[in-house]
Amino acid sequence: AQSVTQLGSHVSVSEGALVLLRCNYSSSVPPYLFWYVQYPNQGLQLLLKYTSAATLVKGINGFEAEFKKSETSFHLTKPSAHMSDAAEYFCAVSDQGGSEKLVFGKGTKLTVNP
Amino acid sequence: DAGVIQSPRHEVTEMGQEVTLRCKPISGHNSLFWYRQTMMRGLELLIYFNNNVPIDDSGMPEDRFSAKMPNASFSTLKIQPSEPRDSAVYFCASSFLRSHTQYFGPGTRLTVL
Repeated sequence: AQSVTQLGSHVSVSEGALVLLRCNYSSSVPPYLFWYVQYPNQGLQLLLKYTSAATLVKGINGFEAEFKKSETSFHLTKPSAHMSDAAEYFCAVSDQGGSEKLVFGKGTKLTVNP
Repeated sequence: DAGVIQSPRHEVTEMGQEVTLRCKPISGHNSLFWYRQTMMRGLELLIYFNNNVPIDDSGMPEDRFSAKMPNASFSTLKIQPSEPRDSAVYFCASSFLRSHTQYFGPGTRLTVL
């Protein structure tokens, strides 16, 4: 069965600092991997996705993530945090076999301090 | 373009009552997903449809929950009878089949007293 582990339920950074949100996956087949963002009282919005093309994936709002098969990781980064990045971030996995079923991690709440 | 539309946005009901949540997917999308989000269990897939046909309902918690998709532009999630432990935010999402990009609605916050 597929699973996703997000290390750190809460991450706090200063405005302008590097953002690093960690995600490790477990999958018996080559996965598709996703990062979603959820702002308060809103639905989830796709930030970026890995679907077996380039291992470094660029998304919206300056975020990017790198698929590392050897480490079973898909960490999300942004060089310089902005106040508007404060939100909850979810990593998700699905298999490439055709199922569209997403398995989500527990989420990481990002706080950006002025 | 309108995104995924869910109604109601908030629902407060008493234990034992029937609750119906509604979803209108993005026009042209042919996959539809129902999720439940709670603090304890996070975000869980309840059921998803392809071309109006239920494909995987293994996440539906029990027989009190049922979902239908009578046509490409409408789906319902029904809870009968409702219980306090059903209190959660329920999200609907839609996508083009096999695009692996799901678009989420704003959610329905359900409170069962």
